[in-house]
Formats: sequence, C-alpha cells, structure tokens
Amino acid sequence: DAKTTQPTSMDCAEGRAANLPCNHSTISGNEYVYWYRQIHSQGPQYIIHGLKNNETNEMASLIITEDRKSSTLILPHATLRDTAVYYCIVRRRFQGAQKLVFGQGTRLTINP
Amino acid sequence: EAQVTQNPRYLITVTGKKLTVTCSQNMNHEYMSWYRQDPGLGLRQIYYSMNVEVTDKGDVPEGYKVSRKEKRNFPLILESPSPNQTSLYFCASSLDWTGELFFGEGSRLTVL
Repeated sequence: DAKTTQPTSMDCAEGRAANLPCNHSTISGNEYVYWYRQIHSQGPQYIIHGLKNNETNEMASLIITEDRKSSTLILPHATLRDTAVYYCIVRRRFQGAQKLVFGQGTRLTINP
Repeated sequence: EAQVTQNPRYLITVTGKKLTVTCSQNMNHEYMSWYRQDPGLGLRQIYYSMNVEVTDKGDVPEGYKVSRKEKRNFPLILESPSPNQTSLYFCASSLDWTGELFFGEGSRLTVL
C-alpha cells in the first residue's frame, strides 16, 4: 500500500482558504486518496476522497495532480472549528489486504 | 443513529490483567479495524477484519488479539497488558473495502 507524506503543521487565517498538501508518489492505479481530520482526541472524521478527478463536497475540495502523485485538500473559508489534525491516506478499492497507514498528519491551526 | 461504539471509554489497569475493549457497529459494515494513537506517532493500525472470521495483522499487532464472530462486533483483547500498551485506541468500520471509515469515540487505556 502506498505511503503518504504531509507537512507536520500549518497555519491559516480565519476566513481564508486552507490548502493542505499530500504526497503519495508510490500510489497505484487502483488506490484512492482519502482525507480525514481529528479534532482534539476525538475519533477521526471522514472529509472527502477521490481517484483522479477533482472532487468537491460541502466540507472541502480535493485536487489531485494529473500524475496522481500528490493532492491538495482545500478548505475554502477556514473557521476556528477547522483547527485539527488532517490525515491523508490511500486505500485500494477492491477486495484484498486493507492495511491502512495514517501517518502523523498535518496539524492545521486556524488563527483569528 | 449510525455509530461505532467502544467500551470502556477509559480504563486504568495493572500489568498482566487480561482485558477486552469492545467495539460494535450498527451499520452492517463488513470492514472493521483497530488503531492505537500515541503522541508523535499518529494512528497505527493494529488489526483489521474484512468480514466475519476473516482477520489480519496491521502494523503493530504484537500483544493484541482480535476476533470477528459476528459482523457487528470486533473486540480487541489484551491477554497480558504491559505499560507500553498505554494508549488511545480507536475502532473503525466501513461498508466494505471501498467505503469511508467511521470511527468510534476512542478508549483511553492506562496500564500501570
């Protein structure tokens, strides 16, 4: 399973767009990119996922590069409640071994 | 309400005293997994299960056992807990190998 690399921490001003990068250079064709976030010590929460096309939902947008080796999660108008640790993982979408590697994620701090 | 329920939420125990952390989901999910979270190490997968009677090791399975006798339950068993198993534990489930993960609220375990 492909591993991901994320910056340890980032800051963003409230009301601005937060752009969180993720590298997954060893991703294979059948692996999707998923994003989760964890607020304090609560259980992580699903945000969005994608394969190769850009995706958008009510929480965020996901931009995946054409070669699929990296992606960016965009929170369009960050609020203080978006302060959390954000995890980028890859997951195969067919039956088989489902060992998932979360890594340490990016600690995003939204400043007033 | 769709949820993943873990019990106990908090537990202080002593070295060697067998304990079980239960995990139950009410969404008829096939995939379930356990993670531990330690400062600076992010989320690490302990075990996962693709379906009833099908389990496999994650990245840090040593000292843990699991069972999947029923689809809804996936207990984590510590046969002889040690202080290095002091951690925050999360159970998660997804519809199958493709779906978003739903996490429980976490179980904070302290082994003295």
